[in-house]
Amino acid sequence: EAQVTQNPRYLITVTGKKLTVTCSQNMNHEYMSWYRQDPGLGLRQIYYSMNVEVTDKGDVPEGYKVSRKEKRNFPLILESPSPNQTSLYFCASSLSSGTNEKLFFGSGTQLSVL
Amino acid sequence: QKEVEQDPGPLSVPEGAIVSLNCTYSNSAFQYFMWYRQYSRKGPELLMYTYSSGNKEDGRFTAQVDKSSKYISLFIRDSQPSDSATYLCALSWGKLQFGAGTQVVVTP
Repeated sequence: EAQVTQNPRYLITVTGKKLTVTCSQNMNHEYMSWYRQDPGLGLRQIYYSMNVEVTDKGDVPEGYKVSRKEKRNFPLILESPSPNQTSLYFCASSLSSGTNEKLFFGSGTQLSVL
Repeated sequence: QKEVEQDPGPLSVPEGAIVSLNCTYSNSAFQYFMWYRQYSRKGPELLMYTYSSGNKEDGRFTAQVDKSSKYISLFIRDSQPSDSATYLCALSWGKLQFGAGTQVVVTP
């Protein structure tokens, strides 16, 4: 089954404790992206990757890191989480980097930073 | 001012009614117009995709684009409880922008 898999689904952590949210897709997609979703603000892009070893900042990259060492994986790293990073996070992928391409989303990671 | 405005709702309708959703935008450069549906505790999934002004139908769903007014709409005919979800508009011009989403509740 074609899918984007995120883990974990729920995560509670404390300020400053490094964490990684994993994302994997099995569709051989070139493009992958991370979004955060907050009430009233919608989906905002954090980082994106056009292909292996090619990443770039989205609209809200502060406090986040990403890497793309393999085509299928695109982990999101919070080196020192803060309470304002409490949010619902989605990983997404598409066949290519065209912004009119259909995006496939994971089921989300609800992060709470205390 | 946000580039894409969407009323958050909730919009509550009885089963069988027509659901009308819309987004307004300020950037005339947007060329591609999409609607995503997001069920509770799930990621968004693409529902409709249009490129030009006019209407596009897919079953009970109709997407409408009015570029002159910078206004897009999604209509759901004969709404069902399974249509209860949040609907997000997404507009693209080389950069993809999402609306905040409208929560729809269809009551039996």
